Amino acid sequence: NAGVTQTPKFRVLKTGQSMTLLCAQDMNHEYMYWYRQDPGMGLRLIHYSVGEGTTAKGEVPDGYNVSRLKKQNFLLGLESAAPSQTSVYFCASSTGQSSGNTIYFGEGSWLTVV
Amino acid sequence: AQSVTQLDSQVPVFEEAPVELRCNYSSSVSVYLFWYVQYPNQGLQLLLKYLSGSTLVESINGFEAEFNKSQTSFHLRKPSVHISDTAEYFCAVSYILTGGGNKLTFGTGTQLKVEL
Repeated sequence: NAGVTQTPKFRVLKTGQSMTLLCAQDMNHEYMYWYRQDPGMGLRLIHYSVGEGTTAKGEVPDGYNVSRLKKQNFLLGLESAAPSQTSVYFCASSTGQSSGNTIYFGEGSWLTVV
Repeated sequence: AQSVTQLDSQVPVFEEAPVELRCNYSSSVSVYLFWYVQYPNQGLQLLLKYLSGSTLVESINGFEAEFNKSQTSFHLRKPSVHISDTAEYFCAVSYILTGGGNKLTFGTGTQLKVEL
C-alpha cells in the first residue's frame, strides 16, 4: 500500500542551489499535483498534470518547474532556490475528472533554503 | 472563485468533551466539500467528504460534518474527542481544473489539541 511516495523527506539547500523533488504513485492515477504548505496559509497548488507528458500552472508556480515523463512520476524542480521556497511540499494524485474524486497525498518533503 | 474560511486557528479541548471545527466556504458553482486531517509530520488524509445527497456525512472514527447550503458552512463535529484526535484539520472545496483533474482550495487549518 505505497500510495503516493515522495523523496527526499528532508533537505537543506543553500540559496541558489538547484534540486528536484520526486513523486511516485502506484494507483494508476491520471492526475498529479504539487502543493506547498506554509504556516497560516493552508496548502497552495504549485503545478499539476492531467496526464503523462502534460503539465500546467497552479496558484503559485513561479520559481518551480515540473515534468511528467511517466504516468506514475511527477517531478518538481527548483532551479535556483530562494529562502521564500522554504516550505513543506506535498505531492498528490487523483483519478477521474469529477470534482468529487478524492485526492491522495504523500507524506511531505520538508525543504529549508538558507 | 472558491474560497474557504476556517475562523479558528487553534481549538483546545479536554478529552471526552465535544468539539466543533468551523468551516465556511464561498463558491459561485455547486461544490464538493472535504475535511482532511494531518497528524504531526505526516501528509493529509481524507476524513470525510460531501458530494450530494444527505447533508450529514460521517467518518469511520466518529467525526461528522453537516453541509448547510443556506449558511454556506460545513462544520466538523465530534461528540467526544480522544487524545489521538490531536491533529490539524483542513476544510477544502473542490472544483474541476481546466483540462481535467480537480483542485482543492484549502482553508488555513484548525489545530485541534486534546488535553487530559
